[in-house]
Amino acid sequence: GNSVTQMEGPVTLSEEAFLTINCTYTATGYPSLFWYVQYPGEGLQLLLKATKADDKGSNKGFEATYRKETTSFHLEKGSVQVSDSAVYFCALSVTGTASKLTFGTGTRLQVTL
Amino acid sequence: GAGVSQTPSNKVTEKGKYVELRCDPISGHTALYWYRQSLGQGPEFLIYFQGTGAADDSGLPNDRFFAVRPEGSVSTLKIQRTERGDSAVYLCASSRSGLAVDTQYFGPGTRLTVL
Repeated sequence: GNSVTQMEGPVTLSEEAFLTINCTYTATGYPSLFWYVQYPGEGLQLLLKATKADDKGSNKGFEATYRKETTSFHLEKGSVQVSDSAVYFCALSVTGTASKLTFGTGTRLQVTL
Repeated sequence: GAGVSQTPSNKVTEKGKYVELRCDPISGHTALYWYRQSLGQGPEFLIYFQGTGAADDSGLPNDRFFAVRPEGSVSTLKIQRTERGDSAVYLCASSRSGLAVDTQYFGPGTRLTVL
C-alpha cells in the first residue's frame, strides 16, 4: 500500500535557522508528492508539490526535491521566520487510486525570536 | 465561491444521533474528497466523488457513514448512530479533474464532537 513517514515533532528553531523536515514514502505506482501546511486556526493549504522524479517544488522560500532513488521528499528552508510556525504535512497521491492523498502524521514547527 | 466551504464549522451531538455535514466545492471542480482528521494525526481518506458518482468509498469506516453528491457540486456526508469514536475534524477537498497531479484545495473543516 501507500504510506508516508515524517519526522516527529515538535521542531523548535530560532528565527533565521535552517529547517529540514524529513519525509519518506512507499507507493504502489508512480506518486505525485506534496507538502501541505496548517497554520494555527486555519485550514490545510498546499505549500508545494512535485509530480515527477528530480522535480523541485518551491514556494515562500521552502523547497523540496522529489528523490525517487531514496523515496524521499524532504522539506527545507534556509532561514525560518516566526510566521512559519505551523504544522507541516507530507502527502502523496498515485494515479489510478482515485488520486486520494495519503498523509504523514504531520510535524509541528515552532519558531522563536 | 472563492474556496471550499463547509458547514457547520462545529457540531456537537449525542451518541446515537444522526448528523449531516455539508461541503461546497470550488465552482467547476469535478473531483470532491472527504477526509477525517483525528487529533495529532494527518487526514485520512474517506470517499472520492467524480461528478455525481462515488468513484472510491474504500475509506468509509463502516456502513454508518454515507455520502452523496446528487448534482455534482455540493456534497453531504451523513453519519448514522454516531459514536464517540467518530469525534474528529471532517475535511472536504476539491480538485479540478481528479488527476493525481492536481492540487486538492481543502475547506476549513467541520469539528464533530460526539458526547
